[in-house]
Amino acid sequence: SQQGEEDPQALSIQEGENATMNCSYKTSINNLQWYRQNSGRGLVHLILIRSNEREKHSGRLRVTLDTSKKSSSLLITASRAADTASYFCATGHTGTASKLTFGTGTRLQVTL
Amino acid sequence: DARVTQTPRHKVTEMGQEVTMRCQPILGHNTVFWYRQTMMQGLELLAYFRNRAPLDDSGMPKDRFSAEMPDATLATLKIQPSEPRDSAVYFCASGLVDLISNQPQHFGDGTRLSIL
Repeated sequence: SQQGEEDPQALSIQEGENATMNCSYKTSINNLQWYRQNSGRGLVHLILIRSNEREKHSGRLRVTLDTSKKSSSLLITASRAADTASYFCATGHTGTASKLTFGTGTRLQVTL
Repeated sequence: DARVTQTPRHKVTEMGQEVTMRCQPILGHNTVFWYRQTMMQGLELLAYFRNRAPLDDSGMPKDRFSAEMPDATLATLKIQPSEPRDSAVYFCASGLVDLISNQPQHFGDGTRLSIL
């Protein structure tokens, strides 16, 4: 079964607005990663946050991790039409030798 | 930028035929993953290799699927015989992994497989 569950499943916003996506997982992790997938393309890595970190930034992206709640959020600030894509969280676990378990994804639509 | 290359990008074939999908991982990466993506099941890990040795293929139907790495520049995923339920997008990803921490995976653009 999927380890991560993203919420919401779909999100539609206007350009310039912020987009927030959430990910919940079930078992302990040693890192959590966010990926983007454009239509018809492969997944592209966005950001990795380790279990001992609480927040990370990369450009317009901000990721938070709350291990006590087993949840993470991805915030995209000042969204652009080019941010339209599906976003997935993926969890890595100690002892699984780099294996990731992907969530169900959030489809983000950014309109002009 | 270095990329993972998958061939073919699209494949349409009839039920019962053998299908071979190929992947060229990024040079220097030591781990290769095969995933299958469908609307119903999402992204599922089928198998993965470290330094060309299979580490885990528990996600793969053993009776009809096989995955190999003949050399460091080529990974293959075969389905024989193929069935309509195998229709999906198959992704290959590679990464440079050490024993301490997870690292990002780099994905190819997938093979879109349709079994009639």
